[in-house]
Amino acid sequence: AQRVTQPEKLLSVFKGAPVELKCNYSYSGSPELFWYVQYSRQRLQLLLRHISRESIKGFTADLNKGETSFHLKKPFAQEEDSAMYYCALSGWDSSYKLIFGSGTRLLVRP
Amino acid sequence: DAMVIQNPRYQVTQFGKPVTLSCSQTLNHNVMYWYQQKSSQAPKLLFHYYDKDFNNEADTPDNFQSRRPNTSFCFLDIRSPGLGDTAMYLCATWGLTNSPLHFGNGTRLTVT
Repeated sequence: AQRVTQPEKLLSVFKGAPVELKCNYSYSGSPELFWYVQYSRQRLQLLLRHISRESIKGFTADLNKGETSFHLKKPFAQEEDSAMYYCALSGWDSSYKLIFGSGTRLLVRP
Repeated sequence: DAMVIQNPRYQVTQFGKPVTLSCSQTLNHNVMYWYQQKSSQAPKLLFHYYDKDFNNEADTPDNFQSRRPNTSFCFLDIRSPGLGDTAMYLCATWGLTNSPLHFGNGTRLTVT
């Protein structure tokens, strides 16, 4: 079964501090991992996907298959990063589902 | 240009009164999804279509039904809405390539 766990409901940091949003997953096949962001009153937007190996808005995430993790990191948080962040997993090889974690609210204080 | 369009943006219905939400796409994507997102919660997958092949999640209430008459359109029917069905309903599509999912703006449903 697919499962995504985000252990922190809220992460509060000061501007300029490093950020790490944790995500662990469970999937028996070959997963694809994503991070989605939802700013206040806006639609869900794709932030990162592990196959792209990109850095978007200063965020990076590395898939660690040994630890089954896909943590989201940014070295210096900005106030505009305040949003809800969802880690998501897909099993494109079997079911085409995209399952979301429970989300972490990032609050960046001035 | 919006590629996944959901109508209406806001819908208010009475307890027990059937309601239909619609989603259309201009992307010609094979897969369409319906998610329910309650306040301060993660999106929860209700069901998805791969072309006309319907896949229901095990914990989706029987009250929720879906139709996909063609590639472009998908409907979510709630036969007898309860107060607990108040939520944002999100439609998304995927084209079976390396492209990401595309989400619509959602329909905010309020059951009174």
